[in-house]
Amino acid sequence: GESVGLHLPTLSVQEGDNSIINCAYSNSASDYFIWYKQESGKGPQFIIDIRSNMDKRQGQRVTVLLNKTVKHLSLQIAATQPGDSAVYFCAVFDYKLSFGAGTTVTVRA
Amino acid sequence: DTAVSQTPKYLVTQMGNDKSIKCEQNLGHDTMYWYKQDSKKFLKIMFSYNNKELIINETVPNRFSPKSPDKAHLNLHINSLELGDSAVYFCASSQGEGERQPQHFGDGTRLSIL
Repeated sequence: GESVGLHLPTLSVQEGDNSIINCAYSNSASDYFIWYKQESGKGPQFIIDIRSNMDKRQGQRVTVLLNKTVKHLSLQIAATQPGDSAVYFCAVFDYKLSFGAGTTVTVRA
Repeated sequence: DTAVSQTPKYLVTQMGNDKSIKCEQNLGHDTMYWYKQDSKKFLKIMFSYNNKELIINETVPNRFSPKSPDKAHLNLHINSLELGDSAVYFCASSQGEGERQPQHFGDGTRLSIL
């Protein structure tokens, strides 16, 4: 089955700086990837997704990069704001969604 | 408008009891899920249903029994609760089964076993 790992369990970033959260996956047949944000007391909230036929996708202040060669994806958040403080999960789809362990992002004022 | 709603939000009960968690989605999705999130925030799928049919059962003890009366509802009944069942349980839904579409989550039910 799919194994999903995050590179760093925590990330502290200065307000206004860019954040990068990394994720590795094991199954080269995985073809759909999602980033979720989970705030305290809430459920995971969809941020952005990407299919394996793409290597980059941009949303509002977020960019997801997919490197299928090394089975790695990343989430970049531009101009990080206090409201971006949360736990971020990558999720990888083969026949089901497998979630990574989560990176806790803390934004310093 | 709440897209995926779960009740109750908090559930505190004694070991050995039986309890149910309800979930409803108003997104018109075909597929619904139950996930368990442990104290380390690790999120793992338990079940998925597509149009009331069980699709995924991820080696969950048979004390857990999901029931889908219609495609907008997926309830979770747990018998003989154990200490290790303490967790946050999330319901989710998505359009289609096996399709590459994002899943939308409820805000969770925090289950504490005394």
